[in-house]
Formats: sequence, structure tokens, C-alpha cells
Amino acid sequence: EPEVTQTPSHQVTQMGQEVILRCVPISNHLYFYWYRQILGQKVEFLVSFYNNEISEKSEIFDDQFSVERPDGSNFTLKIRSTKLEDSAMYFCASSPQYAGYEQYFGPGTRLTVT
Amino acid sequence: KQEVTQIPAALSVPEGENLVLNCSFTDSAIYNLQWFRQDPGKGLTSLLLIQSSQREQTSGRLNASLDKSSGRSTLYIAASQPGDSATYLCAVGRGSTLGRLYFGRGTQLTVWP
Repeated sequence: EPEVTQTPSHQVTQMGQEVILRCVPISNHLYFYWYRQILGQKVEFLVSFYNNEISEKSEIFDDQFSVERPDGSNFTLKIRSTKLEDSAMYFCASSPQYAGYEQYFGPGTRLTVT
Repeated sequence: KQEVTQIPAALSVPEGENLVLNCSFTDSAIYNLQWFRQDPGKGLTSLLLIQSSQREQTSGRLNASLDKSSGRSTLYIAASQPGDSATYLCAVGRGSTLGRLYFGRGTQLTVWP
């Protein structure tokens, strides 16, 4: 069964560094998402992406964050100048056709900022 | 702003019991509702998706219902097994062209043999 994959599974970085989290959505899906979950907190929406542009972003998704689909398979989340409070599990998700369909989540990347 | 609440926060039951997990949401203008399972340190596995026009969905031992007007959904698990132990998350979707999901904190379920 097709699945969303994410790399790396765990990333440790120092405060102030830039990180890129990578995702490979399910191949025929058209909508892509990033969510995050701080330890012990709810899963929070960051951004949705369709047709090579952001379709919606949350109040969390400020200029520190950016997303890109550099080729036909990868979808990336870049976090610039990381802060301690960026430590969280970051999930990528994708859905087919149009938003409103079932979202399929990847296994997540655990980001630890020291 | 949409707020999603799940009750109870934790539940511990013996194997074989039928159980109900509850989810409520403040804004009834939803497009769909999705139930997920999350194992410790793992990703989210989709269990059931209910569109706003539907009343319930079933998959195996799982049955999810939706009462959009009252802002409630329930996940019914029949004949629970130790392998069902996980955190169950409820998430609501706002609109057909906006895929953002709003999540509850989840119900942590433990099924003991």
C-alpha cells in the first residue's frame, strides 16, 4: 500500500541553525500538508500546498518557515534560525484530488533543537 | 476558531470490552471528520473518514458516528484487544478547498489482557 515517507526520522540541531525536513507524498496525491506536534500537545496545522503554491498557512507559519516542492516527488519544510521551541514532531501528509479527502500521514521527523 | 475536545483523556479497560470515545467540536460548519490512531513516538494512522453529509462509517470493529448539528462524534470499538492500545485522535476539516485539520488532544486507550 502506498505511504508517505519522511526523512530523517530524527534531527538534532543547534539553536540558530537551519534545517530541512523532507517528505515524499503518495505519488498521485495533489495536496500536501505539514503539521507539528510539540510533546504532550495537540497536533497543529502549519501549511497546506497545492499546485506549487501555499493554499493556507497557520499563524505559526511565519517567515521562519518555508515549503517547497523541488521536484515531482519531494516536498520539503525549511526552518530557518531554529529556536528551542521549534522542538517537536513534524508530520507531512498528503491527500488525493482535492482537500476534503482523507489525509495520509507520514511517520514524522522528530526535531530536537539544543 | 474551531476547538476540538476529546473525552475521556485516558481510558483503561480489560480485553473484550466494547468502548466509546467521544469527540466534540465548537463550529458545526465542518466538511469532514477523521479519526486517527497514534502509537507512541509514531505517526498517525487514519482509521475512518466521515463526510459532513454522512451519519456514520464502519471499518471492521470500528464504528464512527457524526452528529454535525450538535458538534459531536463518537468512535465505537467493539470487542477491544490489547493491540488496540494507542492514542486515538479526532480531527475536523473545515472546507472542501481548505484541507486544514483541527485536532483534539486524543484519548489514550489501554486494553489489558
